[in-house]
Amino acid sequence: AQSVTQLDSHVSVSEGTPVLLRCNYSSSYSPSLFWYVQHPNKGLQLLLKYTSAATLVKGINGFEAEFKKSETSFHLTKPSAHMSDAAEYFCVTSVDSSYKLIFGSGTRLLVRP
Amino acid sequence: DAGITQSPRHKVTETGTPVTLRCHQTENHRYMYWYRQDPGHGLRLIHYSYGVKDTDKGEVSDGYSVSRSKTEDFLLTLESATSSQTSVYFCAIQKVKTSSTDTQYFGPGTRLTVL
Repeated sequence: AQSVTQLDSHVSVSEGTPVLLRCNYSSSYSPSLFWYVQHPNKGLQLLLKYTSAATLVKGINGFEAEFKKSETSFHLTKPSAHMSDAAEYFCVTSVDSSYKLIFGSGTRLLVRP
Repeated sequence: DAGITQSPRHKVTETGTPVTLRCHQTENHRYMYWYRQDPGHGLRLIHYSYGVKDTDKGEVSDGYSVSRSKTEDFLLTLESATSSQTSVYFCAIQKVKTSSTDTQYFGPGTRLTVL
């Protein structure tokens, strides 16, 4: 069965330092993968999505993710954290032709001044 | 903005009472979904719809029913609310394109508290 595992429940970084949020996936074929962000008391916003056209995917707000089949990973990165990046981030995969989504448990990013 | 609204946005109810949450979309998308969000679990699919009167169960469907009599509205009903159904409920629509991976967009959420 398809699934995603987010390896860290909480990540804390200083403003201006790099961000790395880790996600591993489990799939028997080439998966559809997404990162969503949820700011406090807000809905979910799509950051980026893997379409199989390119392994390095660029998203909004300077985030990017790299699909690595050999490592079954889809880690989210940003070169320099901003205070406004503090939020919860979800790694997500899509299941079958009904587009059902399977969410990871989330990583809460804290950005220190 | 995918034109999704949810009502009510907040609700407090008592155990054993029926509750209906409404999701409304303005763009005539075929696929609609109901998820619940609980700490440590991310979002989990309750039910989804792939057209008017066409619905199916998700991962956590026990205690919930849905209806879709019009393209634009997808209703989630808790027949007899329990404290374990205290959660934040999100509706979503799927935008289907002919090329590239399709994208799901979420409503603002409904916070439900069952006392």
